[in-house]
Amino acid sequence: GESVGLHLPTLSVQEGDNSIINCAYSNSASDYFIWYKQESGKGPQFIIDIRSNMDKRQGQRVTVLLNKTVKHLSLQIAATQPGDSAVYFCAENIPPSNTGKLIFGQGTTLQVKP
Amino acid sequence: DAGVIQSPRHEVTEMGQEVTLRCKPISGHDYLFWYRQTMMRGLELLIYFNNNVPIDDSGMPEDRFSAKMPNASFSTLKIQPSEPRDSAVYFCASRPTPAHGYTFGSGTRLTVV
Repeated sequence: GESVGLHLPTLSVQEGDNSIINCAYSNSASDYFIWYKQESGKGPQFIIDIRSNMDKRQGQRVTVLLNKTVKHLSLQIAATQPGDSAVYFCAENIPPSNTGKLIFGQGTTLQVKP
Repeated sequence: DAGVIQSPRHEVTEMGQEVTLRCKPISGHDYLFWYRQTMMRGLELLIYFNNNVPIDDSGMPEDRFSAKMPNASFSTLKIQPSEPRDSAVYFCASRPTPAHGYTFGSGTRLTVV
């Protein structure tokens, strides 16, 4: 029979263009956010994080923006490369912080066209 | 550091058999997490430990699943008896404190036939 699975949003971009992946998080009290990248057949890999007292953080070719007013997180990838093709997850840390548990979003698939 | 180490990478077993998945967290990481990933449900937290003590096992699907952490460097996730619907990729992750992100292992792909 036909399999039914999660319909992950897909973003398709041309190599060299900038990519923006969005995430709506669930809890206004969340104090720490992380973006993960998962390539096929591998575990999720940490990309960049941001704490709730910041609204922007930059890494190498990546920038994370946090808008607490609308509970929105975005990941910007500059000059997207074929190696950036993967599923990207946002994760939030919901207080009390000492639970240690992250809540993951469903993910967005990024496809980079050569 | 070798990162989070999981074994085996792949496991194929027959329905009804016992399956044991293993994880070695990063040294010094006080938190260890077991996740399951499927196309249907995405990443699901099954259980997590803090300083070897289970803190939250509300994600464990049913009594067939059990997890232990006998010491700071080793954890197991056991399924007994296994069923085809348990087929998934199981990830172990660790983090030093709640102020840090997780480091994931490479996962164990479990197929129950």
